Amino acid sequence: DMKVTQMPRYLIKRMGENVLLECGQDMSHETMYWYRQDPGLGLQLIYISYDVDSNSEGDIPKGYRVSRKKREHFSLILDSAKTNQTSVYFCASRGDSSQNTLYFGAGTRLSVL
Amino acid sequence: TQTVSQSDAHVTVFEGDSVELRCNYSYGGSIYLSWYIQHHGRGLQFLLKYYSGNPVVQGVNGFKAEFSKSDSSFHLRKASVHWSDSAVYFCAVSGSNNRIFFGDGTQLVVKP
Repeated sequence: DMKVTQMPRYLIKRMGENVLLECGQDMSHETMYWYRQDPGLGLQLIYISYDVDSNSEGDIPKGYRVSRKKREHFSLILDSAKTNQTSVYFCASRGDSSQNTLYFGAGTRLSVL
Repeated sequence: TQTVSQSDAHVTVFEGDSVELRCNYSYGGSIYLSWYIQHHGRGLQFLLKYYSGNPVVQGVNGFKAEFSKSDSSFHLRKASVHWSDSAVYFCAVSGSNNRIFFGDGTQLVVKP
């Protein structure tokens, strides 16, 4: 069964703390994404990863960095979290180019106090 | 510049009604158009997509969408909605690169 798993599902952090959001997929997809979702703003692309150690900024990369050391695992890191990074974060992986379909995780709800 | 516009933020219908969720896009070149559904507290799930060929594409659960190049549209339709169709629906456009752009979503509420 094709699956994208995000951990943790819920997280509360204080401003200035470091945050690690993890994402795994079992489909050997090359391309993975991190999005954030805020009310009224839809999905905003933070980073894309094309494969191991091949990452590219999305539309709102400031304040975030990513790590992809294995194809099946893609991490989002917030160094010194800010209150405006309170959001729901979604990871997705993309099927091959002929499918162009995204598979999403269930999301991580992050609150930065 | 690629844009996706979903003109209706909220749509409310009664169970058994038909519904159309509107999507217009702006994109240069060959594109994929997709619809995704998001139930409350969940991630997005793929519904259907169009790339070429028959402009009417069938998806799961009775959903279908029609591509119109002249109108730059890809509207989603269902003939008879069920209460379980209540969700947020996202239209998405992507091209030959790996960038995928989403609209802001349309919240569909189906009343009993």
